[in-house]
Amino acid sequence: DTGVSQNPRHKITKRGQNVTFRCDPISEHNRLYWYRQTLGQGPEFLTYFQNEAQLEKSRLLSDRFSAERPKGSFSTLEIQRTEQGDSAMYLCASSRDSVAYEQYFGPGTRLTVT
Amino acid sequence: AQSVSQHNHHVILSEAASLELGCNYSYGGTVNLFWYVQYPGQHLQLLLKYFSGDPLVKGIKGFEAEFIKSKFSFNLRKPSVQWSDTAEYFCAAYTNAGKSTFGDGTTLTVKP
Repeated sequence: DTGVSQNPRHKITKRGQNVTFRCDPISEHNRLYWYRQTLGQGPEFLTYFQNEAQLEKSRLLSDRFSAERPKGSFSTLEIQRTEQGDSAMYLCASSRDSVAYEQYFGPGTRLTVT
Repeated sequence: AQSVSQHNHHVILSEAASLELGCNYSYGGTVNLFWYVQYPGQHLQLLLKYFSGDPLVKGIKGFEAEFIKSKFSFNLRKPSVQWSDTAEYFCAAYTNAGKSTFGDGTTLTVKP
């Protein structure tokens, strides 16, 4: 069990640029989740995948955000035309095939938009 | 809409004191409830979970939580805290549809 990995760990970008983050889940986990966390708040659910299917998407996920999991393994989260309000920690988690199973979290990608 | 409230933002205790952190959820359907902990510099990790059965659940490191359906609560307890319990604690509710909602967290500081 190598855990959930995320890359990059830190990203600084200028407003208006596009950014893409990658998440590699634990290999036998079918579910993959994306969250956003800002200072003083808990993780906010963005979206989740069951294998390659995106099954739930938060209203927080505006049309500038898109997530993919093309082969049911790693996932990418892209933010287009970044805004300063997008500055946050972006967390990825994975789990087995049921809500009864715990989510294993990655270390997160810290995005700073200047 | 589903929501999770954690009443205490910051709790400071001395070692050996008892701990209770409040968590209330708001959701009309079936929920699964979790407590996660984040130690300084580490990832979020599971402390304990409830999805059915005995409403008193026990987790790692001597933590337990009680699900009280009538009060929509899932409070975390530990009879005697240690300095190593200093961390941030998050309560979370998952629906069967897969969406999860976290509370804003409680920072626990245990003084040696």
